[in-house]
Amino acid sequence: QVHLQESGPGLVKPSETLSLTCSVSGDSISRFYWSWIRQPAGKGLEWIGLIYSSGKFNYNPSLKSRVTMSVDTSKNQLSLKLSSLTAADTAVYYCARDRGYPDFWGQGTRVTVSS
Amino acid sequence: QSVLTQPPSVSAAPGQKVTISCSESTSKVGNNYIYWYQQLPGTAPKLLIYDNNKRPSGIPDRFSGSKSGTSATLGITGLQTGDEADYYCGTWDSSLSCWVFGGGTKLTVL
Repeated sequence: QVHLQESGPGLVKPSETLSLTCSVSGDSISRFYWSWIRQPAGKGLEWIGLIYSSGKFNYNPSLKSRVTMSVDTSKNQLSLKLSSLTAADTAVYYCARDRGYPDFWGQGTRVTVSS
Repeated sequence: QSVLTQPPSVSAAPGQKVTISCSESTSKVGNNYIYWYQQLPGTAPKLLIYDNNKRPSGIPDRFSGSKSGTSATLGITGLQTGDEADYYCGTWDSSLSCWVFGGGTKLTVL
């Protein structure tokens, strides 16, 4: 059974860069694509982008200028960086295994952007 | 504004059936498959239906999906109080090369 665990700082300041990690266990990160998705409190889901172990990626056009994703196959981890943060980036951030669609999600990590 | 439109809320009594619609508001999604997710309060979304009408292992057959033209429907029969959740449809937008979700539908089991 695959298990995904997101981790991150919890609180970041406006204009700074958010760095999140997703640790994958129970499956090889090299076998699938992996997506990041976020959800502001009380609101819907927003897809951030996806990445493959080869480094091939696809970002949401609305966020692509601020997003960087990477994969560390030696650690079976994914990373997300989101720059130039504003309060609008406050959300729960999820990583998910992607088999052409997000099929298995981590529990999410809450990120608040505030000074 | 999402290209996938869902009703904000639906409700039904225990034991009854409910349907949740997901309508494509543009022509950009095309013939791509629709996926449905259930998000119980305080938890991560869980895949309910993939490829329009297929259930992952472990999803009871009370949950069903269908698609016709630019509209998809999630059906839930034999409603239980444990089905109270937010339900999201999603698909790949080929024109944007981007995954998109509907705004979500809150199901209340009265």
